[in-house]
Amino acid sequence: GESVGLHLPTLSVQEGDNSIINCAYSNSASDYFIWYKQESGKGPQFIIDIRSNMDKRQGQRVTVLLNKTVKHLSLQIAATQPGDSAVYFCADLNQAGTALIFGKGTTLSVSS
Amino acid sequence: NAGVMQNPRHLVRRRGQEARLRCSPMKGHSHVYWYRQLPEEGLKFMVYLQKENIIDESGMPKERFSAEFPKEGPSILRIQQVVRGDSAAYFCASSPQGVSTDTQYFGPGTRLTVL
Repeated sequence: GESVGLHLPTLSVQEGDNSIINCAYSNSASDYFIWYKQESGKGPQFIIDIRSNMDKRQGQRVTVLLNKTVKHLSLQIAATQPGDSAVYFCADLNQAGTALIFGKGTTLSVSS
Repeated sequence: NAGVMQNPRHLVRRRGQEARLRCSPMKGHSHVYWYRQLPEEGLKFMVYLQKENIIDESGMPKERFSAEFPKEGPSILRIQQVVRGDSAAYFCASSPQGVSTDTQYFGPGTRLTVL
């Protein structure tokens, strides 16, 4: 069925470390994936997206990797900063292509 | 360029009352989506609208919930006869075209509390 989930509910890192947040999806037909960041009391903020014709996409301090063989998606954050502390969601499209399906989220905590 | 606007940010209703949540999409965006988020959970899709049309309402409860996006003015999510289980954060997102081709940008949400 359609579902997007994350491997770990929480991740704690030290400032300056690299963070890796993982996500598994079940719909092999999914062709568009997005990572959002949600700070407490705020709406989701777009970070980066990737389409299924790519394996990797880089942004500013963030990289998304897509492994279609094992249906796995990851978000890498370089030199993690306290301001990166938030809940991170991966999402993909529903089968109709009309809406996003979100996983439950990983809470990233960055300590100084 | 203002982002997606939602109001009110916080709404308190007693059981049986009506709740009206408003969403103004980003300028130039004609596609609006509503999502609901329960505590400690991800967002769940409710409804997708384009100006004056409901495109997909597969995530909307069959009763008490309705949504509209008129030609002029904001999109409205209406919940009639609210119950405690309706307490949640409701987020609106917008995109220039459909989500399959364009990124969705989210508003700050309306936090509904039903007493």
